[in-house]
Amino acid sequence: DAGVIQSPRHEVTEMGQEVTLRCKPISGHDYLFWYRQTMMRGLELLIYFNNNVPIDDSGMPEDRFSAKMPNASFSTLKIQPSEPRDSAVYFCASTPSPSGELFFGEGSRLTVL
Amino acid sequence: GENVEQHPSTLSVQEGDSAVIKCTYSDSASNYFPWYKQELGKGPQLIIDIRSNVGEKKDQRIAVTLNKTAKHFSLHITETQPEDSAVYFCAAPAGYSTLTFGKGTMLLVSP
Repeated sequence: DAGVIQSPRHEVTEMGQEVTLRCKPISGHDYLFWYRQTMMRGLELLIYFNNNVPIDDSGMPEDRFSAKMPNASFSTLKIQPSEPRDSAVYFCASTPSPSGELFFGEGSRLTVL
Repeated sequence: GENVEQHPSTLSVQEGDSAVIKCTYSDSASNYFPWYKQELGKGPQLIIDIRSNVGEKKDQRIAVTLNKTAKHFSLHITETQPEDSAVYFCAAPAGYSTLTFGKGTMLLVSP
């Protein structure tokens, strides 16, 4: 398996623009997580899905952030409108077991000017 | 929710020395403690984990110890090598399916 695949790897955009980050989890993994990493706050959980259903979105910063998982092999994290404080590395991770190893993608580095 | 504190934030050692990173957690019900290594430009990767029914676990040059009474666990790396240079994260369960991560320790191993 190729592992968790994220795109784009790098995104530079201007404040106010819409940003869409994409994730393909490892096949057979029923859990998918979106994390945000910054120097100040470390790794923060934004939202996670189980069998394509959002279970906990309490980490989503505000209404500008939304996430979907239309099927078992694809998820998106959307920011609209984007702001400079959204600049961070966004990671997607998947796992077959709720208390087992998390498999992370290589991340999407977002810069909002 | 679970609160995980990790120390130190940076650690510099000479090649061949040992490195120790410590974490404390707040929820006494937590029973699973993984450690992740993040290399530059990559996502975190699990290197070792321990469950609360054991006090220590080893895998070649790395080991993790757990003290449930004191609610702390530590990562030990012996005979460090330059390729051990990375950011290391500890974590503890934040609920049934999620983890809370420490802020990370940047380990630098100098040749």
